[in-house]
Amino acid sequence: DGGITQSPKYLFRKEGQNVTLSCEQNLNHDAMYWYRQDPGQGLRLIYYSQIVNDFQKGDIAEGYSVSREKKESFPLTVTSAQKNPTAFYLCASSRWSTGRKETQYFGPGTRLLVL
Amino acid sequence: EDQVTQSPEALRLQEGESSSLNCSYTVSGLRGLFWYRQDPGKGPEFLFTLYSAGEEKEKERLKATLTKKESFLHITAPKPEDSATYLCAVTRTMEYGNKLVFGAGTILRVKS
Repeated sequence: DGGITQSPKYLFRKEGQNVTLSCEQNLNHDAMYWYRQDPGQGLRLIYYSQIVNDFQKGDIAEGYSVSREKKESFPLTVTSAQKNPTAFYLCASSRWSTGRKETQYFGPGTRLLVL
Repeated sequence: EDQVTQSPEALRLQEGESSSLNCSYTVSGLRGLFWYRQDPGKGPEFLFTLYSAGEEKEKERLKATLTKKESFLHITAPKPEDSATYLCAVTRTMEYGNKLVFGAGTILRVKS
């Protein structure tokens, strides 16, 4: 079964703590993305990566960090600098080719709550 | 600035009562418009992509259409299992790859 997995499903963060959300895909997609979803708002792009060892900031990157050491994996770290981390985090992936309009497919999400 | 506005915010229908959801957009150079379905606590599920005005796509009880300024998602004879949040997004080309700009979604409830 090809798809995108995210773990954990629920994550609790204590004040001052860094936490890491996992995203793995076996679709052989080049591009991966992290979005944040808050009630009543559209999904907002945090970071994205077109290729291994390269990634770009999205619209709301402050307080977050990522790495892309393998094509299949794109973990997101929510740092203590992110003051309002409570949200639903979604990972997506797509094929990537310059000028193409590739569909993004989403994982099941991780809900992050602050203790 | 690219914007996507969905209306209504919420819609309640009786089973079998057809209706339409609206997605209006302002984007410089539309590359594609996407419709997703999202169930509570789950990730969005891809439904359709539309690329040019006049294009239409259908899947079961759903039909998506596109004009130069908006898209409609028509739901014919809905069933309770069609209850979900429907998200619209447009593609904006960035220096590296494409970005999806999302609307806030329409929450659809279909009662039997």
